[in-house]
Amino acid sequence: AQSVTQLDSQVPVFEEAPVELRCNYSSSVSVYLFWYVQYPNQGLQLLLKYLSGSTLVKGINGFEAEFNKSQTSFHLRKPSVHISDTAEYFCAVSPQGAQKLVFGQGTRLTINP
Amino acid sequence: SQTIHQWPATLVQPVGSPLSLECTVEGTSNPNLYWYRQAAGRGLQLLFYSVGIGQISSEVPQNLSASRPQDRQFILSSKKLLLSDSGFYLCAWSGDRGSTDTQYFGPGTRLTVL
Repeated sequence: AQSVTQLDSQVPVFEEAPVELRCNYSSSVSVYLFWYVQYPNQGLQLLLKYLSGSTLVKGINGFEAEFNKSQTSFHLRKPSVHISDTAEYFCAVSPQGAQKLVFGQGTRLTINP
Repeated sequence: SQTIHQWPATLVQPVGSPLSLECTVEGTSNPNLYWYRQAAGRGLQLLFYSVGIGQISSEVPQNLSASRPQDRQFILSSKKLLLSDSGFYLCAWSGDRGSTDTQYFGPGTRLTVL
């Protein structure tokens, strides 16, 4: 079975500051890794995904994430955040070929002016 | 391009009443379809998934059921709602077997059971 731990339930940062949202996972098989963003009262939007190849993945809205197999982590980063980045962020893993996603509990990112 | 629709967007229902939520996907064929529930302050819980018409797998035993009467239609139902059924219901789709398992989500339905 797989599990995903998002280490911070809430992250407050100031506008234009850098941010890192942490995600660790546990799995006995190879997985694909995803980050989704959810704005208030909306569905989930795919930010980025790691399937194979380069461990540094770039996504939409200036976000990037780095897959670290030895530490089983997939942390999300942005060098300079904007007010519009205020949202909830979900890390998820999918066992390769299993057609299912296992989600973390989410991290609420709040941007202060 | 593919789009996914859910309706209604919001719903307020009394305890014990029936439920029917609908999800449809456009621009793809033979998608895998999923129903998730997001309760307040909690992550996403997979309720059902379907790999084809009439093929439904249940992940969590409860008073909800799902059906897939057409290739791109997925319905979530209940005969009698409970207070604990309140939440945000999300439908998602992904490609055929052998795809990269990326799931794309609909806009969601906010259900309040009173």
